[in-house]
Amino acid sequence: DVKVTQSSRYLVKRTGEKVFLECVQDMDHENMFWYRQDPGLGLRLIYFSYDVKMKEKGDIPEGYSVSREKKERFSLILESASTNQTSMYLCASSRRDRDTGELFFGEGSRLTVL
Amino acid sequence: GDSVTQMEGPVTLSEEAFLTINCTYTATGYPSLFWYVQYPGEGLQLLLKAMKADDKGSNKGFEATYRKETTSFHLEKGSVQVSDSAVYFCALNYGGATNKLIFGTGTLLAVQP
Repeated sequence: DVKVTQSSRYLVKRTGEKVFLECVQDMDHENMFWYRQDPGLGLRLIYFSYDVKMKEKGDIPEGYSVSREKKERFSLILESASTNQTSMYLCASSRRDRDTGELFFGEGSRLTVL
Repeated sequence: GDSVTQMEGPVTLSEEAFLTINCTYTATGYPSLFWYVQYPGEGLQLLLKAMKADDKGSNKGFEATYRKETTSFHLEKGSVQVSDSAVYFCALNYGGATNKLIFGTGTLLAVQP
């Protein structure tokens, strides 16, 4: 069974803390994504990576950074968490060679920043 | 820029009712279009897709037709079940092979027995 696994389903952090969200996929996909999901706003792309060590900013990169040291792993980093980063974070992956639009999503990480 | 607009929810239906969830898009060019579904407590999964104008995507009894003239991709199902209760997202691919998608805001469907 193909899988995208996010390391934590629920996290509670304090303002100013550094937060790491980890994502691992087992499908040998080149593309990996971090989205943020908020009620009434849908999914918004934070960062995208199309290869190891390669990354592109999405629509809302401010306050976030990412790391892709291995093909299967894509990490989202909040350098100094703030309350407006309380949200559901979704990781996804896809093949790069075709316009299939098929993203495989993890179950999400719900982050609460107090 | 490209965007997707879908009807707000929640949509509440009785079992076996007909479902329509409206989706319209704005795009330069002719993007491929998708419907994703998110069941409670799960990540999103692809429900159906249409790669070009006039294509009809279908899966699990759901259908949607890519209509270029009305820039629409409405989701329909003839007879919904309680198990269809979920959030439905319309999306377009603006990134070609990068598969970067723009999602609508999502529509919550609640089906009552």
